[in-house]
Amino acid sequence: DGGITQSPKYLFRKEGQNVTLSCEQNLNHDAMYWYRQDPGQGLRLIYYSQIVNDFQKGDIAEGYSVSREKKESFPLTVTSAQKNPTAFYLCASSPDRAGGYTFGSGTRLTVV
Amino acid sequence: GNSVTQMEGPVTLSEEAFLTINCTYTATGYPSLFWYVQYPGEGLQLLLKATKADDKGSNKGFEATYRKETTSFHLEKGSVQVSDSAVYFCALRGPLTFGNEKLTFGTGTRLTIIP
Repeated sequence: DGGITQSPKYLFRKEGQNVTLSCEQNLNHDAMYWYRQDPGQGLRLIYYSQIVNDFQKGDIAEGYSVSREKKESFPLTVTSAQKNPTAFYLCASSPDRAGGYTFGSGTRLTVV
Repeated sequence: GNSVTQMEGPVTLSEEAFLTINCTYTATGYPSLFWYVQYPGEGLQLLLKATKADDKGSNKGFEATYRKETTSFHLEKGSVQVSDSAVYFCALRGPLTFGNEKLTFGTGTRLTIIP
């Protein structure tokens, strides 16, 4: 079955370390997105990509980086510059500029 | 720009009660409208959608009608169950023009159903 796979489901990071969250989709979707969700809060857009080898900053890109080398993959790196990285991270994809999103099941990142 | 305003939560109802979660929007042209549901610890799932005025989206007993005249897309269910406890997000996507590459989400409404 097609879908989006985020891994790992839980991730622990020491302060000062970079960490990369994986997002893979087999839906043949062109666009992919990363969101951050804090407890009891809505979604905030970190980065998005409409096409391979191109991506744009969202509303809270500082302290994060992404790459889009393959259509299927859109990894997110949380760098040491991100001051409050503990959050729930959601990846999504969309087949075009008119439809809704398909979401992954999320990665919960905790800084220890 | 586009925006979505959702009913403030949390909302607590007894089982079998009638549910309404209000959603209004601001957008140019004719956006597509969506309701997503998020169960604890999970990602968002598409619940229903409507792509043009007067369309009614429906799924799992939930319904929402795209009202262009009132710029609304309220979510309703006639008889809620404990399993409906979740966070519900209203969202819109503008017409295919520059600046509408992304969904615009509301802030979410937490729903708790008491047995």
